Amino acid sequence: EVQLVESGGGLAQPGGSLRLSCAASGFSFPSYAMNWVRQSPGKGLEWVSAISFHGTDTYYADSVKGRFTISRDNSKNTLYLQMDSLRAEDTAVYSCARVGLTTANFDYWGQGILVTVSS
Amino acid sequence: DIQMTQSPSTLSASVGDRVTITCRASQSISSWLAWYQQKPGKAPKLLIYKASSLETGVPSRFSGSGSGTEFTLTISSLQPDDFATYYCQQYNTFSRAFGLGTKVEFK
Repeated sequence: EVQLVESGGGLAQPGGSLRLSCAASGFSFPSYAMNWVRQSPGKGLEWVSAISFHGTDTYYADSVKGRFTISRDNSKNTLYLQMDSLRAEDTAVYSCARVGLTTANFDYWGQGILVTVSS
Repeated sequence: DIQMTQSPSTLSASVGDRVTITCRASQSISSWLAWYQQKPGKAPKLLIYKASSLETGVPSRFSGSGSGTEFTLTISSLQPDDFATYYCQQYNTFSRAFGLGTKVEFK
């Protein structure tokens, strides 16, 4: 069974940092591109970042470019999102999502982890 | 960056109704468009990819059409399980922008 489990969320102060992790199991993690998506309370989905299956290609939404860094450790089947210079508007539930090999879209998602940025 | 505009933002309908949701891209995305369904507190579920391809296991009452900049998601006969929020997403570029969503609610 495919599972994606996020951790590392919580409360951070404006200007602070957090690192999210997404532990993958039930599939060959090194074969899949991965993404982070966030959803602010009561709002819609916002794509945040993507990383290729080998980790050499990374992409970011303009809203997080220069502040967030996506990475992966294929030996640990884990995806990361380093979030620096956090702002109040980064408050959201962050989810990792797998890109399906046949659909090229997000076929499995984690349950999400809440990040709150507040003083 | 490509912007995605969905309409309407809210749609009131009854069981058995035919429902159509529109998504427009700010520039051509060929057929690189997906539709997701999300229920409160749950992860989104992929319904349609490549504008009109039905994801495995998705009921055939869901269909997608369009190319270029205009796309539609149609539910041929709305079922109780279909009351949810629907999002389009482009994947023509690596910046996979979502639309703002369409909430389908009971009339």
